[in-house]
Amino acid sequence: GQQLNQSPQSMFIQEGEDVSMNCTSSSIFNTWLWYKQDPGEGPVLLIALYKAGELTSNGRLTAQFGITRKDSFLNISASIPSDVGIYFCAGANFGNEKLTFGTGTRLTIIP
Amino acid sequence: SAVISQKPSRDICQRGTSLTIQCQVDSQVTMMFWYRQQPGQSLTLIATANQGSEATYESGFVIDKFPISRPNLTFSTLTVSNMSPEDSSIYLCSVEVSGASTDTQYFGPGTRLTVL
Repeated sequence: GQQLNQSPQSMFIQEGEDVSMNCTSSSIFNTWLWYKQDPGEGPVLLIALYKAGELTSNGRLTAQFGITRKDSFLNISASIPSDVGIYFCAGANFGNEKLTFGTGTRLTIIP
Repeated sequence: SAVISQKPSRDICQRGTSLTIQCQVDSQVTMMFWYRQQPGQSLTLIATANQGSEATYESGFVIDKFPISRPNLTFSTLTVSNMSPEDSSIYLCSVEVSGASTDTQYFGPGTRLTVL
């Protein structure tokens, strides 16, 4: 099935650095969701975006819904060890409940 | 939001056997879904579990291999039938929580299946 393209595929950063990742699609979505998955756990919802151009924050996390509705961005400021994990974007269209997931970005913090 | 539990959390099974995974949510929800996450991969939707009717399967997934039950608005089961090592994956259920004009999906903790 279709998957959204996420980049980068992996990131190796030092604690305290800011992180940026993005997600692109060939088709339009009217909902973008960002999840974080820790090893052995299910994905946990971080941020939900419902409007083109919307910029939403959740603590140190900020996500934006692209104007074209074909992309979304997630930023993490001042990374800490518990930010380690895999981040997935997911797109959906209201009225069609299926989520299309991105390929994931694995975040590793170098001591 | 919704609190979702899955049983079992993990299992190791022999090829040719079947495993039934349970998903329980703490509130009534209309939409429940089952996903598969193969090792190192993203999530792929298996099917939508419809209450009171047959599940709706995605391309590449069939009812004989992944029978699903949805007896009420808080519970669903997924069976992985006649298992082979290729079925080794994490199986996740999710539920949709709807707002006035927004939908959000929440996931259970997953069931890690290893088939020998």
